[in-house]
Amino acid sequence: KAGVTQTPRYLIKTRGQQVTLSCSPISGHRSVSWYQQTPGQGLQFLFEYFSETQRNKGNFPGRFSGRQFSNSRSEMNVSTLELGDSALYLCASSSIVTSGQGHEQYFGPGTRLTVT
Amino acid sequence: AQSVTQLDSQVPVFEEAPVELRCNYSSSVSVYLFWYVQYPNQGLQLLLKYLSGSTLVESINGFEAEFNKSQTSFHLRKPSVHISDTAEYFCAVSPYNQGGKLIFGQGTELSVKP
Repeated sequence: KAGVTQTPRYLIKTRGQQVTLSCSPISGHRSVSWYQQTPGQGLQFLFEYFSETQRNKGNFPGRFSGRQFSNSRSEMNVSTLELGDSALYLCASSSIVTSGQGHEQYFGPGTRLTVT
Repeated sequence: AQSVTQLDSQVPVFEEAPVELRCNYSSSVSVYLFWYVQYPNQGLQLLLKYLSGSTLVESINGFEAEFNKSQTSFHLRKPSVHISDTAEYFCAVSPYNQGGKLIFGQGTELSVKP
């Protein structure tokens, strides 16, 4: 099976702009989660989508949003970019269906966002 | 709420020496436990997981971890490391009631020297 793919791999944006990142999960996976990785804060959970619905949410401001399409592909949007949003954004997919299941997440290579 | 503490930010070790990367967690609910590895400029790869059953879990490349419920720990060990094991290692927990969410530790940078 093909792995998790993320596009674009690199982005440079200016403060105040908005950005949309895309993630295609492993075929058959319906759960997609997003994470932000920075040197200072480490890996932080943004949100999880399952069957086009946000199921879990981390502690990020409303500028960070996402959505999932019927084919399980997901997008993440960040509006009004700030310098502190510069990070590696990782997407992960899982075969989990109900929250009580223990399933590993498979990660994509990430999108490196630089805000200037 | 959950938190994960990796007790060492950097671990230098010589090739063929044993290594232990320590991980402790705190949670008000039961959790699943994972170790992920990240090689430079790459995404995260699952190394091993504890979901239930035997508290000692092993990976295909010689790593093992033991779940200790009383000490809320999930330390990662390898009896003999290789240069190729140089990477950053992340311990993570996933709450039983929030299966799509991983809470990560800050990571341990393992540096294997010849």
